[in-house]
Amino acid sequence: QRQLLESGGGLVKPGESLRLSCAAAGFIFSDYYMSWIRQAPGKGLEWVSYISESSTYIDYADSVRGRFTISRDNAKNSLYLQMNSLRGEDTAVYYCAREWGSSSAGWYFDVWGRGTLVTVSS
Amino acid sequence: SDELTQPPSVSVSPGQTARITCSGDALAKKYAYWYQQKSGQAPVLVIYEDFKRPSGIPERFSGSRSGTMATLSISAQVEDEGDYYCYSTGSSGNHRVFGGGTKLTVL
Repeated sequence: QRQLLESGGGLVKPGESLRLSCAAAGFIFSDYYMSWIRQAPGKGLEWVSYISESSTYIDYADSVRGRFTISRDNAKNSLYLQMNSLRGEDTAVYYCAREWGSSSAGWYFDVWGRGTLVTVSS
Repeated sequence: SDELTQPPSVSVSPGQTARITCSGDALAKKYAYWYQQKSGQAPVLVIYEDFKRPSGIPERFSGSRSGTMATLSISAQVEDEGDYYCYSTGSSGNHRVFGGGTKLTVL
């Protein structure tokens, strides 16, 4: 069964750092693009970042570019999000998601984790 | 612009057809996808590539796209209440874009 399990969320102060992890199981992790998506309390979904199978292609939403870094370890079937210089507006549930599709047809998210809550507050 | 615009809310009675629209320039060239999210749960894909239903999604869910607008249609049941998000790849092919979400009420 395809599964994604996020961890690493918690309460941090503005300006601090946090590293999220996502453990994949039930599929060949190294065959897929992966993404992080977040949802602030009571708000909609916001895509944060994606990474290609071999980490060749990476992109970020403008709201996190320069502060967040996505990475993966295919040997460990794991995806990561290093979050630095955190702000109150980064408070959200962070989901990791598997991508499916192609550059011509577009990419979408077919498997999601349950999410991990990050709270940034003094 | 890569923005996708949805109505904030739609309300129907059980058995009626709920139609949720999504508009944006990116839809002129890219497929539309739809996610359902119930309270406290992760999103679930209900329509992909404009009109296709993943395995396990009831036939009462359907989708279409024309020009810069996509539409999700649901022959609504009470259990379909929740938030629905349209999604597409941005016109550049790199960014991933969600609509603002539509709250569906069935009562």
